Amino acid sequence: QVQLQESGPGLVKPSETLSLSCTVSAGSISPDYWSWVRQPPGKGLEWIGYIYYSGNTNYNPSLKSRVTISVDTSKNQFYLKLSSVIAADTAVYYCARGREAAALDYWGQGTLVTVSS
Amino acid sequence: QSVLTQPSSASGPPGQRVTFSCSGSSSNIGSNYVYWYQQLPGTAPKLLIYRNNQRPSGVPDRFSGSKSGTSASLAISGLRSEDEADYYCAAWDDSLSGPVFGGGTKLTVL
Repeated sequence: QVQLQESGPGLVKPSETLSLSCTVSAGSISPDYWSWVRQPPGKGLEWIGYIYYSGNTNYNPSLKSRVTISVDTSKNQFYLKLSSVIAADTAVYYCARGREAAALDYWGQGTLVTVSS
Repeated sequence: QSVLTQPSSASGPPGQRVTFSCSGSSSNIGSNYVYWYQQLPGTAPKLLIYRNNQRPSGVPDRFSGSKSGTSASLAISGLRSEDEADYYCAAWDDSLSGPVFGGGTKLTVL
């Protein structure tokens, strides 16, 4: 069964770049939608974007200017970079896999990233 | 402000049937599949329903989904205390060219 695990700094300063990795284990980066979703404390889910295993990406228009998602199939990892962060970017960040873009069937446990000086 | 609209809360006693609504538009629910997620406290979301009414392996048949026009519903029958969670609907949005989520409904089992 596919397992996903997020990793990266839990604290990022305003205006800096948030960088997270997602390691896929018990499986590989297959022809699926490898996604990032975030959830601000006490709030709902927000789709950030996804990368298809071929490298094609799709981002939430509200974040598109600041987001980059990439993949390294040799390492079974995919990545999220969010630049020029502000306090409103504070959230639990999840990586997930979907057989369809909105059907995310495997999720990481999530990692809390706080934006603060 | 979420693209899909869900009531903020719902409740019911054990054993009862409860339904959740999810309202969208022609660019999302009206023309694409609906998905439902369950998020237990402190955990990652779990896919509960896909393609309007399909259950992934392991999801009990107490959970069922339906769609009509630009709205969708999730029903839970035989409510149990372990069903207490947040429930989110989702759909692909043609205008956004990406998935959108509802704001979530918090279920309390009385």
